[in-house]
Amino acid sequence: RKEVEQDPGPFNVPEGATVAFNCTYSNSASQSFFWYRQDCRKEPKLLMSVYSSGNEDGRFTAQLNRASQYISLLIRDSKLSDSATYLCVVQGGSEKLVFGKGTKLTVNP
Amino acid sequence: DAGVTQSPTHLIKTRGQHVTLRCSPISGHKSVSWYQQVLGQGPQFIFQYYEKEERGRGNFPDRFSARQFPNYSSELNVNALLLGDSALYLCASSTTGGLGYGYTFGSGTRLTVV
Repeated sequence: RKEVEQDPGPFNVPEGATVAFNCTYSNSASQSFFWYRQDCRKEPKLLMSVYSSGNEDGRFTAQLNRASQYISLLIRDSKLSDSATYLCVVQGGSEKLVFGKGTKLTVNP
Repeated sequence: DAGVTQSPTHLIKTRGQHVTLRCSPISGHKSVSWYQQVLGQGPQFIFQYYEKEERGRGNFPDRFSARQFPNYSSELNVNALLLGDSALYLCASSTTGGLGYGYTFGSGTRLTVV
């Protein structure tokens, strides 16, 4: 089983749609969780950290369920500029970042 | 302020050759990590260095080695290149490399092995 698994995608949605990404992780000792965004042929960029209490940043909401080892990212009112690959990332005691394969999102006009 | 800088941006090498990739972290950042991203996959951890000491190593063969210099810059070396080493090599820096800290990535070195 892979350490971090994401929805395979790709997702194609119209502008203004709400889209949700799901991710599960296998290491129950994982301690920190993130969503990164990666544009085509660019480096990953930190989108937001994920906390058990849930956190929101504008149109983006991230949730963590430690019991289910599940992480989610919700994007509301999607924009053309949200088109990218979204990477679920988990960090454990070794401090290395463990990335999922990524889910590609395309927002269409 | 300059972000994480990597050089070169692109590189083409022949099987069996050696390659050295370079990374300068954000000023004030003491931790540097290296990741390999092959097409269609998420980045895979190779090494982490903090204060010139190796803090972690991923599941990569001994052909891969790295070091960190007193100015916190870092080199990744790969010997006896294989076709499968073709990938985007990413360097990431953080203040301490500890838990809970997001990392800032450089734009990467795209290595093609022919």
